Amino acid sequence: KQEVTQIPAALSVPEGENLVLNCSFTDSAIYNLQWFRQDPGKGLTSLLLIQSSQREQTSGRLNASLDKSSGRSTLYIAASQPGDSATYLCAVRNYGQNFVFGPGTRLSVLP
Amino acid sequence: DVKVTQSSRYLVKRTGEKVFLECVQDMDHENMFWYRQDPGLGLRLIYFSYDVKMKEKGDIPEGYSVSREKKERFSLILESASTNQTSMYLCASSLQGITEAFFGQGTRLTVV
Repeated sequence: KQEVTQIPAALSVPEGENLVLNCSFTDSAIYNLQWFRQDPGKGLTSLLLIQSSQREQTSGRLNASLDKSSGRSTLYIAASQPGDSATYLCAVRNYGQNFVFGPGTRLSVLP
Repeated sequence: DVKVTQSSRYLVKRTGEKVFLECVQDMDHENMFWYRQDPGLGLRLIYFSYDVKMKEKGDIPEGYSVSREKKERFSLILESASTNQTSMYLCASSLQGITEAFFGQGTRLTVV
């Protein structure tokens, strides 16, 4: 059964820092991996989708990489801002079209 | 933009009531999902549907049922609400195949 973990569980950084969030999964037979952002009490907002054949995807200050063989993905956030404060979740999609989510990393960017 | 809309942001129901949570998407997506999210447990899949009238159990289907009579609408039903079903419920949709998932804004259900 696929299991997804995220490290660290929480992170607090000063504004302007570059940071890396980590996601690991146990079964490398995935179709894709998606990174989401969740603000308190809200739904999930899709940030980046990486297909299994891809190595990375970029959107603005965000860059996500995927190493399927080692079961790892990283989300890189450049020049962090207080508005980036949220919980970041990764999810992998396996056969059967289900998503399996990690527990999330709670990010605080201090002004 | 894809829009997934959940009928209520907040609901308070009594134990034993039958509860309906509604989700509508406007992008003709084949797949629709219901998750619940609890502190320390993360998001867990309750049910998903890959077509009208088709459904599959997720990881925690007990105490829930679903209905998908139209492609755009996926309903989650709590047959007899219990306090342990107090949670945040999230609906999602995606196209068939290996595509991006989109989520609704969530429904915070409290069962008293």
